Amino acid sequence: EIVMTQSPATLSVSPGERVTLSCRASQSISSNLAWYQQKPGQAPRLLIYGASTRASRNPGRFSGSGSGIEFTLTIDNLQAEDFAVYYCHQYILRPYTFGQGTKLEI
Amino acid sequence: QVHLVQSGAAVKEPGSSVKVSCKASGDTFHNYAFNWVRQAPGQGLEWMGGITPMFGTPDYSEEFQDRVTITADESTSTAYMELSRLKSEDTAVYYCARDFSGSYAFEFWGQGTVVTISS
Repeated sequence: EIVMTQSPATLSVSPGERVTLSCRASQSISSNLAWYQQKPGQAPRLLIYGASTRASRNPGRFSGSGSGIEFTLTIDNLQAEDFAVYYCHQYILRPYTFGQGTKLEI
Repeated sequence: QVHLVQSGAAVKEPGSSVKVSCKASGDTFHNYAFNWVRQAPGQGLEWMGGITPMFGTPDYSEEFQDRVTITADESTSTAYMELSRLKSEDTAVYYCARDFSGSYAFEFWGQGTVVTISS
């Protein structure tokens, strides 16, 4: 199976900052990568698919880039509601796999 | 607007089975993949398997291959996940998640079903 590795595990940031989260695949997944945001007690929410395409309900400050094995999620002008856990997810090959998550904390 | 509504929380004894439902509305049921993802307390997301009603044949993660059964009932637009031989480690929130036109990413999620394994 394809192993997805996210870094860092936790990131301490301040509102208004710009932050970049990383995700690496154990083999090439082309652009078949999604990013999700999850808040406590809620289901994950799709932010990015196709590595860089914003989902319909994604605020414009979330952007994704990368292809192959290295991917990033960038959040501009961090808002209070952005403090959550972020997961990457490959869907090129089953079993679909997720990274272990990056927690953004204040 | 697509909605996925899952069945309620369950408490099960070790060794028993649980069946979680996911009723879809707001879009055609036939052509999209319904996936099951679980999340143990304080842990990450784990894909268990999925089914596209149009094709009928489910696909399972090897980890759950011998214990999970995923089905879809087109007459009620409902997907099901049954997990057998339950262990304490199966205590988790179970989500159904659906892909969408143009991508296999999971745009639509159910609210989650808490399954607790306890004797």
